[in-house]
Amino acid sequence: EAEVAQSPRYKITEKSQAVAFWCDPISGHATLYWYRQILGQGPELLVQFQDESVVDDSQLPKDRFSAERLKGVDSTLKIQPAELGDSAMYLCASSTDRANEQYFGPGTRLTVT
Amino acid sequence: QQQVKQSPQSLIVQKGGIPIINCAYENTAFDYFPWYQQFPGKGPALLIAIRPDVSEKKEGRFTISFNKSAKQFSLHIMDSQPGDSATYFCAASKNYGGSQGNLIFGKGTKLSVKP
Repeated sequence: EAEVAQSPRYKITEKSQAVAFWCDPISGHATLYWYRQILGQGPELLVQFQDESVVDDSQLPKDRFSAERLKGVDSTLKIQPAELGDSAMYLCASSTDRANEQYFGPGTRLTVT
Repeated sequence: QQQVKQSPQSLIVQKGGIPIINCAYENTAFDYFPWYQQFPGKGPALLIAIRPDVSEKKEGRFTISFNKSAKQFSLHIMDSQPGDSATYFCAASKNYGGSQGNLIFGKGTKLSVKP
């Protein structure tokens, strides 16, 4: 069964450092999402891509967060500089361009010290 | 403004019981309502989903009941098992010109099924 791949699974970094997360969606899925999930809360959208284009980044803190999906396949989410409040699970999800079902990867657990 | 409100926050049932988790939404433009199951340290997994044109959908032991006029929907787990112990999230999204938008999640319900 096809799955969304994410790496690393865990990341510990000091505040003010840069950190990057990688996501490889299910093959053929044109839409890719990055969500942030704070412990005890539901996921919240950071950015949505349709192929290589950003569809929605209204909730992305653009002063420190950036995301790209250069060839419309895999994607990278970067935080620079990391802050203590960025500690969370970062989830990637993908879907076909007109489907409803979003499939999530295992996430990257970020701890900022 | 919380667009999807989920209750209860936590729930404990005995094996074989029928836990019920409720969600209410505010935006009448929402047209897709999935439920996700999440185990600790894992990503959410899609369980079952419903659209507003039906009032109930059943898949295995999981049933969604949908009340469009009340803007509410609920998840029922029949014959619950200890392996169902997880956090459950309801969500909602709306269609933009033929493509589905991002999911708005509830805050989750931590379910514990006692043996």
